[in-house]
Amino acid sequence: NAGVTQTPKFRVLKTGQSMTLLCAQDMNHEYMYWYRQDPGMGLRLIHYSVGEGTTAKGEVPDGYNVSRLKKQNFLLGLESAAPSQTSVYFCASSRRDNSYEQYFGPGTRLTVT
Amino acid sequence: AQSVTQLGSHVSVSEGALVLLRCNYSSSVPPYLFWYVQYPNQGLQLLLKYTSAATLVKGINGFEAEFKKSETSFHLTKPSAHMSDAAEYFCAVSPYTGNQFYFGTGTSLTVIP
Repeated sequence: NAGVTQTPKFRVLKTGQSMTLLCAQDMNHEYMYWYRQDPGMGLRLIHYSVGEGTTAKGEVPDGYNVSRLKKQNFLLGLESAAPSQTSVYFCASSRRDNSYEQYFGPGTRLTVT
Repeated sequence: AQSVTQLGSHVSVSEGALVLLRCNYSSSVPPYLFWYVQYPNQGLQLLLKYTSAATLVKGINGFEAEFKKSETSFHLTKPSAHMSDAAEYFCAVSPYTGNQFYFGTGTSLTVIP
């Protein structure tokens, strides 16, 4: 099993450009999450999904959109990138129960200039 | 609303010394509790979790944590630090209801030879 994979690993964007981050999991997990990690702020939830075709906002959703068309994939989109979105983005997945841990991908380092 | 507080953003210990990383949560109902470790340029890995069974939880790499309801704490300990323990550690809370994890801001552990 590959677990949770993220594409790409690194990306540099100019302000105003758009991009999509892809997250894939092969564990048949129901729940999937997108976080951003910034120094001194821990992980903050951007959006999450509790099943195929269902998404919800997290703590910091502004400037991001998501889609979960297939159970194994969760896409994070930036329509018009801003320097404030420079961060490391992590995807995670878990089983359908809050007692189960989240499994994390290796992260995507995004720089917006 | 849930919140997680990790006291001490940086902790330094000598190799062989006790490791103590502090985590307090705010919740009227004891939630599920987790400790994750993040090595440089990697995603988060689960160290251990508390899901209302034994209050003393043992995890990987010799770490353990004790759930204390009266103190709303879930501190992480290891009797003897090893150089390989140097990493960032995150405490996380998951409520019984809802679909979100709440992460602390992290504690960076340095092990001095």
